Amino acid sequence: AQTVTQSQPEMSVQEAETVTLSCTYDTSESDYYLFWYKQPPSRQMILVIRQEAYKQQNATENRFSVNFQKAAKSFSLKISDSQLGDAAMYFCAYRGDTLIQGAQKLVFGQGTRLTINP
Amino acid sequence: DTEVTQTPKHLVMGMTNKKSLKCEQHMGHRAMYWYKQKAKKPPELMFVYSYEKLSINESVPSRFSPECPNSSLLNLHLHALQPEDSALYLCASSQANAEPTDTQYFGPGTRLTVL
Repeated sequence: AQTVTQSQPEMSVQEAETVTLSCTYDTSESDYYLFWYKQPPSRQMILVIRQEAYKQQNATENRFSVNFQKAAKSFSLKISDSQLGDAAMYFCAYRGDTLIQGAQKLVFGQGTRLTINP
Repeated sequence: DTEVTQTPKHLVMGMTNKKSLKCEQHMGHRAMYWYKQKAKKPPELMFVYSYEKLSINESVPSRFSPECPNSSLLNLHLHALQPEDSALYLCASSQANAEPTDTQYFGPGTRLTVL
């Protein structure tokens, strides 16, 4: 079974600085997909970034980038130029087994609560 | 458009009530999911419909009953709930085509309180 571990329950960073959130996972698959979701106090889970395991290039979306280390099974999220609106719970997720008819299970880490200090 | 809508935003109900949560998407996705999320925890999958076929998390009690009238709509019927069922209920949808871009998109959730 696949597992996802986020070892940092809470992190804080000064506004405009850079912060890195850690995520490790365990799988025996060679092709898989990893995600970072953000859940602000408004509650909605918002997709931040997606990485395909067969791609060596790290995914980037504006101020958000990942450091994907396949051999180490590590998938960290870097947020540059942190903004107050980045404050949220961040979940790392692994797209796992097919449940039924193409629908696939998301395995979530326990989450990291990020605080931005003005 | 990656919008999934959920109604109501908040729901308070007694243990003897019957209520329903609703979810809708117009992205042409063929899979829709119900998750339960307790405070400071990740979402837990309850049910998924894909191409109108249902997959159930066997640990979910029978007082929760999903319904998928069509591929765009998903309901969760609630009956005789317990206070421990109070949580955020999230709906999500995905293409269900196993492509690299196949991603689950979430709605804003319904905050349920059972008295």
